[in-house]
Amino acid sequence: GNSVTQMEGPVTLSEEAFLTINCTYTATGYPSLFWYVQYPGEGLQLLLKATKADDKGSNKGFEATYRKETTSFHLEKGSVQVSDSAVYFCALTGGSQGNLIFGKGTKLSVKP
Amino acid sequence: EAGVAQSPRYKIIEKRQSVAFWCNPISGHATLYWYQQILGQGPKLLIQFQNNGVVDDSQLPKDRFSAERLKGVDSTLKIQPAKLEDSAVYLCASSLGSYTQYFGPGTRLTVL
Repeated sequence: GNSVTQMEGPVTLSEEAFLTINCTYTATGYPSLFWYVQYPGEGLQLLLKATKADDKGSNKGFEATYRKETTSFHLEKGSVQVSDSAVYFCALTGGSQGNLIFGKGTKLSVKP
Repeated sequence: EAGVAQSPRYKIIEKRQSVAFWCNPISGHATLYWYQQILGQGPKLLIQFQNNGVVDDSQLPKDRFSAERLKGVDSTLKIQPAKLEDSAVYLCASSLGSYTQYFGPGTRLTVL
């Protein structure tokens, strides 16, 4: 079945540092790929998505490109802020019904 | 536009007791999902509804968990009897068909 592997956390960065969170997937067919973010005490929010190979999703300075050849969807941001501190989840559609399969999450802490 | 509503936000019960969670999806969203998120892990799908019919409940522990979605709108998830390993955050999400899922704030359940 479909699955997602994302880098272990926690990740601690200084403000304005470059961020990369790795995500690789295993899937049959052509899943859609997502990054969700969970701020402390809040529910999951969609950060960005890509629905086909070579698509780039972007939002709030974050980017990720759907790479079919490397089965990856790495999350990047050029300059992180303290307000980006959260847990980030990579996910993909699990089957024909559109349900999501999530990675374990990566906690990001940004220090001023 | 109002988001996905869930209640209660927190619940503490003794093992073998029963508990119920409520979810009100975004207006017009036909698809509703319940996920279980154990601490340190990504959310795992428990059950998916399309209107008031079950689409996928393959990962729902049916000996103790039940869910319903009356009239294709609100939904309740019940656990009876609860076990220690049911301690988790229960997330409700909704979507238009199989597109982007929007999550509620979750209910944090602690089983003592």
